[in-house]
Amino acid sequence: IAGITQAPTSQILAAGRRMTLRCTQDMRHNAMYWYRQDLGLGLRLIHYSNTAGTTGKGEVPDGYSVSRANTDDFPLTLASAVPSQTSVYFCASSEASSGTDTQYFGPGTRLTVL
Amino acid sequence: GQNIDQPTEMTATEGAIVQINCTYQTSGFNGLFWYQQHAGEAPTFLSYNVLDGLEEKGRFSSFLSRSKGYSYLLLKELQMKDSASYLCAVQDSNYQLIWGAGTKLIIKP
Repeated sequence: IAGITQAPTSQILAAGRRMTLRCTQDMRHNAMYWYRQDLGLGLRLIHYSNTAGTTGKGEVPDGYSVSRANTDDFPLTLASAVPSQTSVYFCASSEASSGTDTQYFGPGTRLTVL
Repeated sequence: GQNIDQPTEMTATEGAIVQINCTYQTSGFNGLFWYQQHAGEAPTFLSYNVLDGLEEKGRFSSFLSRSKGYSYLLLKELQMKDSASYLCAVQDSNYQLIWGAGTKLIIKP
């Protein structure tokens, strides 16, 4: 089934631990994105990648890193988790980085940092 | 700064019509999106407007006025399954999406 998968579905993490959220798409989309969604706030872009091999910083990149070694995978790493990183994380992808560029979302990862 | 405003919550009755407004101030404009998000789920695409006017898609329509920085999503013949949050997002000059906080729509029988 075509789409975007994310893993894990949810995670409880101790502060200071390292964590990688996984995202894989099989639509051969060029662009991929990581957002966080917090209650009362809009989706906020963490990092993005317009094509394999390139990445860029979004609105709230601090404390997060990404890589884009191939078209399909776009992992998000928290090097040393802090409680303010408790959130729901969504990965998304789109065909291109400009124009009518509908983003399609994965099911999300609910992360709690204690 | 960039800003997207939409009401926090709205309530409507099954079978009725509801209009959800969105106003925006962004650095550039390359289109406006509406997404639907059911509780605990991912956002799903509803509509896209880049030119002024109304786009109709079944029970859902979306309107855009670029000169006013304004859009609305119109939902007709409301069904209980329409209970969800509706997210407005504007594509700015860098083609990044700027998101509103969403409008939670509650449908009552």
